[in-house]
Amino acid sequence: SQQGEEDPQALSIQEGENATMNCSYKTSINNLQWYRQNSGRGLVHLILIRSNEREKHSGRLRVTLDTSKKSSSLLITASRAADTASYFCATDGGRLAFGKGNQVVVIP
Amino acid sequence: DVKVTQSSRYLVKRTGEKVFLECVQDMDHENMFWYRQDPGLGLRLIYFSYDVKMKEKGDIPEGYSVSREKKERFSLILESASTNQTSMYLCASSLLAGNYEQYFGPGTRLTVT
Repeated sequence: SQQGEEDPQALSIQEGENATMNCSYKTSINNLQWYRQNSGRGLVHLILIRSNEREKHSGRLRVTLDTSKKSSSLLITASRAADTASYFCATDGGRLAFGKGNQVVVIP
Repeated sequence: DVKVTQSSRYLVKRTGEKVFLECVQDMDHENMFWYRQDPGLGLRLIYFSYDVKMKEKGDIPEGYSVSREKKERFSLILESASTNQTSMYLCASSLLAGNYEQYFGPGTRLTVT
């Protein structure tokens, strides 16, 4: 089954900096979604971008999608300590397939 | 807000025991899902359901079964627990199939000894 793959796997940044994560996938999709997971908890949906969209914003989040390159990026601007979490991309080609996740640590 | 609840946050069971993990959602969602999450492997789909009494196998259904007798409740059953089923189990629901986000429960960390 298709699967998102995030890159880089782990990221450590100072509070106030921007954090960028990338996700690649192999087959065609209907949409791509990003989720956040705080340590030991369930996942929380952040944003969904459809295959015919190229960019989407939600608060401090910016997601881009390039279907020709089969890749997406998630940008978190002006990071906060509370953004420390794992971030997953999930591709929807009929059912969701999750990547392995990106651990982001924001240092106060 | 959508709420997905799972019956236990932590569970310790012995090898060979029958284990029931319960999941309840309160938003009349059609679809419900069970995943397991392991370090380095991400989330893997075990089973999902698009309607009451309907179930479909996910990517790793072996050793598991499910039950959906009511729309709001989706149960995962380990018929005979084994140590390789030690994992974090996550339940999720979504309104419809396709182009809809999933809402996750807090997870059940199951340890099989």
